[in-house]
Amino acid sequence: DAGVTQSPTHLIKTRGQQVTLRCSPKSGHDTVSWYQQALGQGPQFIFQYYEEEERQRGNFPDRFSGHQFPNYSSELNVNALLLGDSALYLCASSYGTQALSSYNEQFFGPGTRLTVL
Amino acid sequence: AQSVTQPDIHITVSEGASLELRCNYSYGATPYLFWYVQSPGQGLQLLLKYFSGDTLVQGIKGFEAEFKRSQSSFNLRKPSVHWSDAAEYFCAVAPAWGGATNKLIFGTGTLLAVQP
Repeated sequence: DAGVTQSPTHLIKTRGQQVTLRCSPKSGHDTVSWYQQALGQGPQFIFQYYEEEERQRGNFPDRFSGHQFPNYSSELNVNALLLGDSALYLCASSYGTQALSSYNEQFFGPGTRLTVL
Repeated sequence: AQSVTQPDIHITVSEGASLELRCNYSYGATPYLFWYVQSPGQGLQLLLKYFSGDTLVQGIKGFEAEFKRSQSSFNLRKPSVHWSDAAEYFCAVAPAWGGATNKLIFGTGTLLAVQP
């Protein structure tokens, strides 16, 4: 089992550009959540996808958008990049939105380091 | 507002010494509680979690945590630290209602350094 994979590992962009980050969930998982981790901070929830729809969203502007594909993989898109978007972007996968137990554990990928110049 | 506070930004302990990392949360009701560890270049790994029941929970790598409702705390402990424990530790909460894969709310983390 490859676990959660993310690509690319590192990315450098300039202000105003657009970026797409990719995530493949752990085998058997159908739910993908994205988090932004700025330097020296804890991860902050961006949004979650299940059944190809956005199910939950954190306090992020519309410049942040996503997509989930039929194979459960997901993309995070950020438009009009700002310097403040520089961060580690983490993807987490889990199974379903109905409780198997009291909580369905989220498994995290290694992240994509985005630098905006 | 929902929040998680980790008051210690950076802690240094000697190898073999005991460790306690503090975590306090602010929430409308008792949430689910978690501790994660993040090593450089690695994703977040779950150390342990608390949902209900026994307030002392055991995790991987010899870690344990104690939930204290009266103090809204969930402190992480280890009796004897190993050099390989050097990493950043995050406390997190998730609402215990409304869905089984609710978003995690993280603290700002505690960076642990281990001296030989």
